[in-house]
Amino acid sequence: GESVGLHLPTLSVQEGDNSIINCAYSNSASDYFIWYKQESGKGPQFIIDIRSNMDKRQGQRVTVLLNKTVKHLSLQIAATQPGDSAVYFCAENIDPNTGGFKTIFGAGTRLFVKA
Amino acid sequence: GAVVSQHPSRVICKSGTSVKIECRSLDFQATTMFWYRQFPKQSLMLMATSNEGSKATYEQGVEKDKFLINHASLTLSTLTVTSAHPEDSSFYICSARFGVGDLYNEQFFGPGTRLTVL
Repeated sequence: GESVGLHLPTLSVQEGDNSIINCAYSNSASDYFIWYKQESGKGPQFIIDIRSNMDKRQGQRVTVLLNKTVKHLSLQIAATQPGDSAVYFCAENIDPNTGGFKTIFGAGTRLFVKA
Repeated sequence: GAVVSQHPSRVICKSGTSVKIECRSLDFQATTMFWYRQFPKQSLMLMATSNEGSKATYEQGVEKDKFLINHASLTLSTLTVTSAHPEDSSFYICSARFGVGDLYNEQFFGPGTRLTVL
C-alpha cells in the first residue's frame, strides 16, 4: 500500500550545524504534510506543516521543502541544538473517502546532536 | 496550543485482564480523536479513528473486539484493551482534532500511555 517513508534512520550532527532530514512519500494525491518531533516517552509534537500548493515554508529555525515532482519532503533545522535531539517523523494527511482525514506517519529519523 | 491528556501514563497488568486508557481534550471540543500504537523504535501506527457519537473506524488488521473505543463526549475518548497479552505491550498515543472534514485541521497529541502486560 502507499506509505510515507524516510531515507535516513539516524542522523548525527554537531551542535551549531544545520540538519537536514529527508522523507519520501508515495501517495501522489496527498495535499498536506506535517513534520513532528518526538522525544523519548512522549507524544509527537507539531513542528511545521506544508500544503501541496507550496514548495517551501519557514518557521523558527526550521524550514520544510516540498518537491512534488519527486514526491520528496525535507526538514531543515538551522543551528541545531542539543534540545533538538529526538526522533523526527514526516506525516501526510490522506482522505479515505469516509468524510474524515487521517494522518499516516513515516518511519522516523533519530537525530543526535553532539555537543 | 490545545492540550490533550492521557490517563494513566503507565500501566502494568497481568495477561488476560482488560485495561482502559482515557484520552481527554482539556480546552477544546474534539470532534475526532485518533488512537495510535507505537512499538519500540518504530513509527506510530494508526489503530482507529473515533468520531463523537458514532462507531470508531478501525484500520485494517486492528481487531475491533479487542481494542474497544468509545467516544462518548466531545472531550473524552477511551480505548479498552480487552484480554491483554504480552504482545499488546506498547506505547498507546491518542490525538484530537477540532473538525471532521477539514484537511488542514491540526491534530494535538496526548503524552502517551505505556502498557506493559506481564
